[in-house]
Amino acid sequence: QVHLVQSGAEVKKPGASVMVSCKASGYTFTNHWMHWVRQAPGQGLEWMGVINPNDIRTLYAQKFQGRITLTRDMSTSTFYMELTSLRSDDTAVYYCARDHSENDRGWWFDPWGQGTLVTVSS
Amino acid sequence: SSELTQDPVVSVALGQTVRITCQGDSLRTYYASWYQQKPGQAPVLVIFANTNRPSGIPDRFSGSNSGNTASLTITGAQAEDEADYYCSSRDASAWVWVFGGGTKLTVL
Repeated sequence: QVHLVQSGAEVKKPGASVMVSCKASGYTFTNHWMHWVRQAPGQGLEWMGVINPNDIRTLYAQKFQGRITLTRDMSTSTFYMELTSLRSDDTAVYYCARDHSENDRGWWFDPWGQGTLVTVSS
Repeated sequence: SSELTQDPVVSVALGQTVRITCQGDSLRTYYASWYQQKPGQAPVLVIFANTNRPSGIPDRFSGSNSGNTASLTITGAQAEDEADYYCSSRDASAWVWVFGGGTKLTVL
């Protein structure tokens, strides 16, 4: 059974950085890209970026370019999302979600990690 | 980037049928997927590649896509279907992904 287990909640001050981890198990680590999605309190889902664990190629939403870095550690089957220069509006639950694709026309996210609450407050 | 538009709130009587729609130019080219999210929980995939249902998802959930509109239909809505529903697809012109704004489904 596929599991994505994320690191625990974080509290950060404005201007700081945060790194959230996502440990994958139950499948071949290199067979699936990993997406990161966030959700601010009471708001909808927002796609942040994706990493290909084979060649560490990344794609980022323009909104986060320059502040986000996605990495992976193959030895521990763990993905990481680092977000820098944190602001109060970065307060959100951050999710990792495994990629599936079909015929270069369909992509979907399944399963999702349990989420990591990042609170940015002075 | 492309946008996906959903009605913010939809309601349905218990046992009746409800359709939740998602509009966007990217849906003319790329398949939609749908996610159910209950309060305090992570999203769960309910439909992928427009019409496919993952194992474990009740068959009262179905999906369709016509032109620029994808739809999620719940036939015989149950109380436990009350949740937020989000559509998603790849952006029409760039390698990024987008979500609709979400639809809050109330089962009356």
